[in-house]
Amino acid sequence: GQQLNQSPQSMFIQEGEDVSMNCTSSSIFNTWLWYKQDPGEGPVLLIALYKAGELTSNGRLTAQFGTTRKDSFLNISASIPSDVGIYFCGDGNQFYFGTGTSLTVIP
Amino acid sequence: DVKVTQSSRYLVKRTGEKVFLECVQDMDHENMFWYRQDPGLGLRLIYFSYDVKMKEKGDIPEGYSVSREKKERFSLILESASTNQTSMYLCATLGSGNTIYFGEGSWLTVV
Repeated sequence: GQQLNQSPQSMFIQEGEDVSMNCTSSSIFNTWLWYKQDPGEGPVLLIALYKAGELTSNGRLTAQFGTTRKDSFLNISASIPSDVGIYFCGDGNQFYFGTGTSLTVIP
Repeated sequence: DVKVTQSSRYLVKRTGEKVFLECVQDMDHENMFWYRQDPGLGLRLIYFSYDVKMKEKGDIPEGYSVSREKKERFSLILESASTNQTSMYLCATLGSGNTIYFGEGSWLTVV
């Protein structure tokens, strides 16, 4: 099946720091989706990207659809404790998800 | 608000038992999905369904089957549970605007 490699696997950061994570696929995507999963919950959609080069923001979150259409990036600015969770990238068909980035924010 | 309900949050089953994981949605969505989530592997699609009595294999269907007799209910079945099926199972539905809604997950331990 499709491989979505997500990095880093985990991050431990101080409150207030910015966060960057990325996702790469082995084939071209038409849509990239980013999700957050709070502990003990199912993932929730954060941002959807529909065309190469697109840059979309949702509050302190900014995501970009890579120009090669095989990668995507998620940035979180000025992290806060409630940003803790696992972040996943995924394709637009909901078939494939990244391996996840576990974020810990230290107050 | 869309509600996707997985009836069992935590289950412990013995090897060889038949296991049913139930998922119910209240938004009349046509598309429903079952995933398993494992550390370091992310979410992997087991089966999905586009309509009643319709099912399609995902990436890892081996050892699983599904049932969609009614639109609101999508069941995942482990015919003979094995220890490598110990995992967290997530059900999801797809709403308008390509928005996916997940249940809270079912933690299954097979001993």
